Amino acid sequence: DAMVIQNPRYQVTQFGKPVTLSCSQTLNHNVMYWYQQKSSQAPKLLFHYYDKDFNNEADTPDNFQSRRPNTSFCFLDIRSPGLGDAAMYLCATTIAGTADEKLFFGSGTQLSVL
Amino acid sequence: AQKVTQAQTEISVVEKEDVTLDCVYETRDTTYYLFWYKQPPSGELVFLIRRNSFDEQNEISGRYSWNFQKSTSSFNFTITASQVVDSAVYFCALSAWRDDKIIFGKGTRLHILP
Repeated sequence: DAMVIQNPRYQVTQFGKPVTLSCSQTLNHNVMYWYQQKSSQAPKLLFHYYDKDFNNEADTPDNFQSRRPNTSFCFLDIRSPGLGDAAMYLCATTIAGTADEKLFFGSGTQLSVL
Repeated sequence: AQKVTQAQTEISVVEKEDVTLDCVYETRDTTYYLFWYKQPPSGELVFLIRRNSFDEQNEISGRYSWNFQKSTSSFNFTITASQVVDSAVYFCALSAWRDDKIIFGKGTRLHILP
């Protein structure tokens, strides 16, 4: 059973049209991450939540926002998508401070911008 | 600053050959964690191993083995008797102790040819 669920698997949006990607988890993990992965590149951390504390990476564009209304859900909002924002967006979770700390990833949402 | 370098962009080997994927890291922290993740064509990143900086013992798990050497800041990954199902992109990653962030290398795309 999937433990980190990302919907939709594929998302198409228009240039400048706001889009929201969703992530949910059944693991009750306290840390949730959003990574952006462009073709043939490493996943790049955009931001993460430690419980309710939001941690933004310094080079994450203001165009990218996130919400975590509760432990299970986290959203990535792209306010005005540009062509350069087309990428795979990966959500990951972990429970911080455990001996077996590792990231659990969802299957990702492939975003296309037309 | 933390950095992970995977110098091999792409490797192709014939099935049943052994293959080693290189990973070199940089960090100022004395305590840190190293990871390997596998990303098959389906896109989901799959955790393979986590190693603490104070544990330099090599690890073997079936056909997989990892060689951690602090003296050279390397954490190499070897697949013995490779199989076609091993074809994927492999990422080495690093996080500092008490840091929620995991930084990925650019990945090595591995092709196992039948």
